Amino acid sequence: QKEVEQDPGPLSVPEGAIVSLNCTYSNSAFQYFMWYRQYSRKGPELLMYTYSSGNKEDGRFTAQVDKSSKYISLFIRDSQPSDSATYLCAMSLQGAQKLVFGQGTRLTINP
Amino acid sequence: EAGVAQSPRYKIIEKRQSVAFWCNPISGHATLYWYQQILGQGPKLLIQFQNNGVVDDSQLPKDRFSAERLKGVDSTLKIQPAKLEDSAVYLCASTSGVSYEQYFGPGTRLTVT
Repeated sequence: QKEVEQDPGPLSVPEGAIVSLNCTYSNSAFQYFMWYRQYSRKGPELLMYTYSSGNKEDGRFTAQVDKSSKYISLFIRDSQPSDSATYLCAMSLQGAQKLVFGQGTRLTINP
Repeated sequence: EAGVAQSPRYKIIEKRQSVAFWCNPISGHATLYWYQQILGQGPKLLIQFQNNGVVDDSQLPKDRFSAERLKGVDSTLKIQPAKLEDSAVYLCASTSGVSYEQYFGPGTRLTVT
């Protein structure tokens, strides 16, 4: 069993839709949870960061962490074609150190 | 602020050949990481440096992979000899250690034929 599981998709939705991306994990010691966005032929870039449980909102993006279920989510509201990318969840025991990534979900927003 | 620089961007070699990748992190970032990202998978950490010392190389295949960061700035990752399964994107990332964010370079796409 992988430490972090993420549905690879692909996921295709129309512009303006609400997108839900999810990851599950097995190591209950993870404390830091992140979402990275990776455009084709580019390196990942940090999108959202959450420490421990709870919700965090940044513009059209909301990250949720449920440590009791070992489940994290990223919601994208009013999705745009520019949101088309691969979304990677990542988590760690200590801040930015030794991130463990999910497989990534490939998302396409259709105009 | 300049980002993480990597070169070359693309490399094609035959199996059993050797190859080296170079990374220049963001100025002042003490921590540097090398990741391997196989097509359709998330990045997997190969090695982590703090300044010029190795913090974690538990997932580095040491029989064929080596990495160094001699002056605590630039880093090189070498594969010798390469195997077909080494075909992947090799990503370099850095962090200041104060921030939680890792900044990634564009990666080097390696194809082993």
